[in-house]
Amino acid sequence: GDSVTQMEGPVTLSEEAFLTINCTYTATGYPSLFWYVQYPGEGLQLLLKATKADDKGSNKGFEATYRKETTSFHLEKGSVQVSDSAVYFCALSGFTQGGSEKLVFGKGTKLTVNP
Amino acid sequence: EPEVTQTPSHQVTQMGQEVILRCVPISNHLYFYWYRQILGQKVEFLVSFYNNEISEKSEIFDDQFSVERPDGSNFTLKIRSTKLEDSAMYFCASRASSGGAQTQYFGPGTRLLVL
Repeated sequence: GDSVTQMEGPVTLSEEAFLTINCTYTATGYPSLFWYVQYPGEGLQLLLKATKADDKGSNKGFEATYRKETTSFHLEKGSVQVSDSAVYFCALSGFTQGGSEKLVFGKGTKLTVNP
Repeated sequence: EPEVTQTPSHQVTQMGQEVILRCVPISNHLYFYWYRQILGQKVEFLVSFYNNEISEKSEIFDDQFSVERPDGSNFTLKIRSTKLEDSAMYFCASRASSGGAQTQYFGPGTRLLVL
C-alpha cells in the first residue's frame, strides 16, 4: 500500500539556519502531497501542498517540490525562526477503493529552533 | 476562520469502559475522518464518513469502534469497550469536497488514556 518515509528527528537548529526535512513516498498513481505542522498543544495545520509532478508548494517561507522521478517532497526553509519549532508531518493523499482519499502520514519530525 | 473543534481535550477512562469522542467539523464540509496517533508513532487513518455512511475503514476500526453524525453538526467516535492499546491522540478532520488535492482540516485532538 501507500506509504511515506520521513526523516527521523529530533532536529535542533539555531535561528537563521537552513532547514531540510526529507520525505519520500511510495504510492500507486499520482498522489497529492502535503506537509502538515503541529505546534505544541495544537492540532495539525496544513503548511503547504502540491498536487502534481514539479509543482512547488510554499507558505511562510517553507517550500517543497513534488519530484516524481525521485518520489520525494522534501521540506526546506532558508532561515528558520524560534517560532518554527513544531512537529512536521509529510503526508500523501491518493485514490482508494473506498473513495475516501484518506491521508497517509509519515512519522513526523520534531524541529527545535534555539535563539 | 472556520475550524474543526473536538471535545474533550483529554479523557481518562478505565479499561472496558465506553468512551465517546466528539467533533464539530467545518459547517459546509461533506467528508469526515478520524485518525489516531499512538505516542511516538505515525498518525493512522481510522475511518472516513460521507453521506451518512462509512466510506472506508482501516483494519484498526474493528467492531469496538463506531461513528455517527447524530444531528448534522456533530461527528462522534465511540469505543465500546476500551483497551489499554486504545490510548492515543485522536484527531477528527473534515474536507469540503471530493478530490485528493482537497485539504483536510484537523481538529486539535483528544488525548485518550486508558488505565
